[in-house]
Amino acid sequence: QQQVKQSPQSLIVQKGGISIINCAYENTAFDYFPWYQQFPGKGPALLIAIRPDVSEKKEGRFTISFNKSAKQFSLHIMDSQPGDSATYFCAASRPGNNRKLIWGLGTSLAVNP
Amino acid sequence: DSGVTQTPKHLITATGQRVTLRCSPRSGDLSVYWYQQSLDQGLQFLIQYYNGEERAKGNILERFSAQQFPDLHSELNLSSLELGDSALYFCASSPQVNANIQYFGAGTRLSVL
Repeated sequence: QQQVKQSPQSLIVQKGGISIINCAYENTAFDYFPWYQQFPGKGPALLIAIRPDVSEKKEGRFTISFNKSAKQFSLHIMDSQPGDSATYFCAASRPGNNRKLIWGLGTSLAVNP
Repeated sequence: DSGVTQTPKHLITATGQRVTLRCSPRSGDLSVYWYQQSLDQGLQFLIQYYNGEERAKGNILERFSAQQFPDLHSELNLSSLELGDSALYFCASSPQVNANIQYFGAGTRLSVL
């Protein structure tokens, strides 16, 4: 059972467009929601993260939107660039349980020049 | 560069064989995590060690085992290898046992022929 459901599986966006990746979760105990970015041949790296006490967090062109009531959060990449082409993973963790990260299955993003 | 070192980068072996994957965490990090990444399963958490002790187990097969040594490096042992074990294996590290941010190595690509 996938505790964090991520969509879409793949995404193609034109340069300058907005990329949107969505994640949904069931466990209301989750209180930390990171996004990781993985380039081919590399390991995932933390991109941006949010806690449920805020509805939005922005870092440069990357924004997380969080909807606590809907148990959903999304990553928005504004002005998408070919260099953003990567696989993006959402994840969630809760207090205790060693804060094990529960991962989405990933979204492969391709930004066409 | 995340500071996490994994060796080897690539490993090709035959079914039934045994291999050892090695991970050196970031300097000062006490927690080490092992993940398996395949195309259809995303990132699967295998096991976590903290300061030499096993702290959490995920979907790790009985044919797989891991340990963390006094110098904090870790090894993942895979035995009786099957074709389905072909995947990318990532190691990640974090400073504490409960850590939201994990730093990933570049991974070991295992091919079982």
